Amino acid sequence: DADVTQTPRNRITKTGKRIMLECSQTKGHDRMYWYRQDPGLGLRLIYYSFDVKDINKGEISDGYSVSRQAQAKFSLSLESAIPNQTALYFCATSDLAGVSGDYTDTQYFGPGTRLTVL
Amino acid sequence: GQNIDQPTEMTATEGAIVQINCTYQTSGFNGLFWYQQHAGEAPTFLSYNVLDGLEEKGRFSSFLSRSKGYSYLLLKELQMKDSASYLCAVTTPEADSGGGADGLTFGKGTHLIIQP
Repeated sequence: DADVTQTPRNRITKTGKRIMLECSQTKGHDRMYWYRQDPGLGLRLIYYSFDVKDINKGEISDGYSVSRQAQAKFSLSLESAIPNQTALYFCATSDLAGVSGDYTDTQYFGPGTRLTVL
Repeated sequence: GQNIDQPTEMTATEGAIVQINCTYQTSGFNGLFWYQQHAGEAPTFLSYNVLDGLEEKGRFSSFLSRSKGYSYLLLKELQMKDSASYLCAVTTPEADSGGGADGLTFGKGTHLIIQP
């Protein structure tokens, strides 16, 4: 079973619609992240969370919001989707608390959600 | 800001060796990661360097020189399945990150093509 899962895996929606992307993890990690990836631009950080009560903006947070419902769940919302939000979205987790014995804060990625906004 | 440079694309032959370079200019430095990403899939962790020198892990090795702001990923005995993008990412202290979680900044990736 995958340690980091994302739903949905693919989504096509229309401009102005509200969209929620969900991420769940069974790794027991404290930190969770949302990235988007666009051709030629690489991975860019949208939001991150160090624990349930902590939410932080990343490089490109405008137009997005997040919710950390539990340690294992981190969702990304697009309140009113627009075409330039068409991208591949990745959730990631890391473990600075050392639960897994790894203190490098290595990030582990979910399989991605391909979002198309028409 | 943070800047990470790596070649956009490289081509190599099956069975050969290839070196993918990464240079970075960042405010602060905690460590450097290399990830592999096949098209349409998630990045997967390859290596982490925090001290100068070479880290070897099977066919893959990663080198770091902090004074030069330079790293490379060395892939030996290339296989067709090594065709992928290779992402260099630098982590900096949160205070210097300018908005990133402990400042993990990714380069745009190097697309490696393996030919028979």
